Amino acid sequence: EAQVTQNPRYLITVTGKKLTVTCSQNMNHEYMSWYRQDPGLGLRQIYYSMNVEVTDKGDVPEGYKVSRKEKRNFPLILESPSPNQTSLYFCASSIGTGAYEQYFGPGTRLTVT
Amino acid sequence: AQKVTQAQTEISVVEKEDVTLDCVYETRDTTYYLFWYKQPPSGELVFLIRRNSFDEQNEISGRYSWNFQKSTSSFNFTITASQVVDSAVYFCALSESGGSNYKLTFGKGTLLTVNP
Repeated sequence: EAQVTQNPRYLITVTGKKLTVTCSQNMNHEYMSWYRQDPGLGLRQIYYSMNVEVTDKGDVPEGYKVSRKEKRNFPLILESPSPNQTSLYFCASSIGTGAYEQYFGPGTRLTVT
Repeated sequence: AQKVTQAQTEISVVEKEDVTLDCVYETRDTTYYLFWYKQPPSGELVFLIRRNSFDEQNEISGRYSWNFQKSTSSFNFTITASQVVDSAVYFCALSESGGSNYKLTFGKGTLLTVNP
C-alpha cells in the first residue's frame, strides 16, 4: 500500500531533550516536506526536500533540522525542543514540485513541557 | 510572497444545504497551482482537487464543485446537498512554479460542521 508513515504518532517530552520524528514514504517520491499545524494558523511548512541531499527552509524553520540521506526517509530533528514547538506535525511527499498533490502521513502530536 | 486567505473560520449548516467555502490567493507568478485538502475529525489530510493557473474551467465531481476565477484570484469550493460526513476542516493551498520557490502555502482552513 502506498503510504507515508510517521513515528512516533504521539510524543510527550521535556524542554531541551533532543528528539527525532521519522518519516518514510514507499512511493519513490522526489519531494518531501514537513508541516506543523496549530489552531488558527493552519498548516505551515517547516522544511522541504526536492531530492536526496537537497533541503531548504519553509516558512517556520527555526528550531528544526532535517536531513535527506535516502530518498524514502526525511526525519525531523528538534535539537532542543521548547514548549512553543508543541504542535501537530505532518510529513508529506509528492512526485515532484508545483503541480503535484502531496500525500500526507498520519501526523505526530508533540507536546513539550 | 504567496498567500492564501480563507476568510470563513467556521461554517455550520444543516444536512442537505448547499455550502460554499471561499479561498482567495495572492501570487506574483503567472504559473501556479491551487489545491483543496480535507481534514476529517480523524485527522488525516486528504487531497481533493488540483487546478493550474491556465485552466479556468470549473469542475464538478459528484456533490463537489470548484469555481476558479483568475480575475478575482479566487478558487471556491461548493458542496451540494451536504451530508454529515462532509464535516471536516477544509484547506485551500497554493504552489508557485518556477524559480527556486517550491513552497506550498496553506490557508488557515475552514471548519465545516454539517448537522443532521
